Amino acid sequence: AQSVTQLGSHVSVSEGALVLLRCNYSSSVPPYLFWYVQYPNQGLQLLLKYTSAATLVKGINGFEAEFKKSETSFHLTKPSAHMSDAAEYFCAVSDLNFNKFYFGSGTKLNVKP
Amino acid sequence: GAGVSQTPSNKVTEKGKYVELRCDPISGHTALYWYRQSLGQGPEFLIYFQGTGAADDSGLPNDRFFAVRPEGSVSTLKIQRTERGDSAVYLCASSSDRGQGNTEAFFGQGTRLTVV
Repeated sequence: AQSVTQLGSHVSVSEGALVLLRCNYSSSVPPYLFWYVQYPNQGLQLLLKYTSAATLVKGINGFEAEFKKSETSFHLTKPSAHMSDAAEYFCAVSDLNFNKFYFGSGTKLNVKP
Repeated sequence: GAGVSQTPSNKVTEKGKYVELRCDPISGHTALYWYRQSLGQGPEFLIYFQGTGAADDSGLPNDRFFAVRPEGSVSTLKIQRTERGDSAVYLCASSSDRGQGNTEAFFGQGTRLTVV
């Protein structure tokens, strides 16, 4: 069975501060992992994905995530938050054929001026 | 079209009524997915189509839910005898994947269904 846990339903950071959004997964097979972002009234947009290549994955808008098998984690980071990063972020794991995603419950990021 | 289009964007219906939610995928995408997102939760898988056939419908919660994709393009999610617990945002996604994996799924903006 596959599942994803996102610690912290709400995270608040100051503009320019480090962003760290946590994701831990449970998977019986080597996982494929994803981070999606959802802006208000918009669809989910892919930020980045890990598919068993490099463990440090760079995505759009300056975000990156590191796959750590020993910790079963795939935390999302960004060195310096912008106001435009305020959104909800979802971590997801897929089956081997990418036919089904299991999403975490999401983390809402608030960026303070 | 340029992206995945879902209609209507909002639907309010009375308990017990029948509803249809439509999804227009990106042109040429063979794979289509339906997810349901309840308040405060992440999207939950409902069904996956590859072409016209439902390759995996294991996420449909019960037999009141049904989805079709008769020509391998537009899909309709049908809910019979709606219940208040069906209230959620229903998301559709499509990808060019032909079962080989490793392609991006593009999501629509969703249909917000409210059952009163």
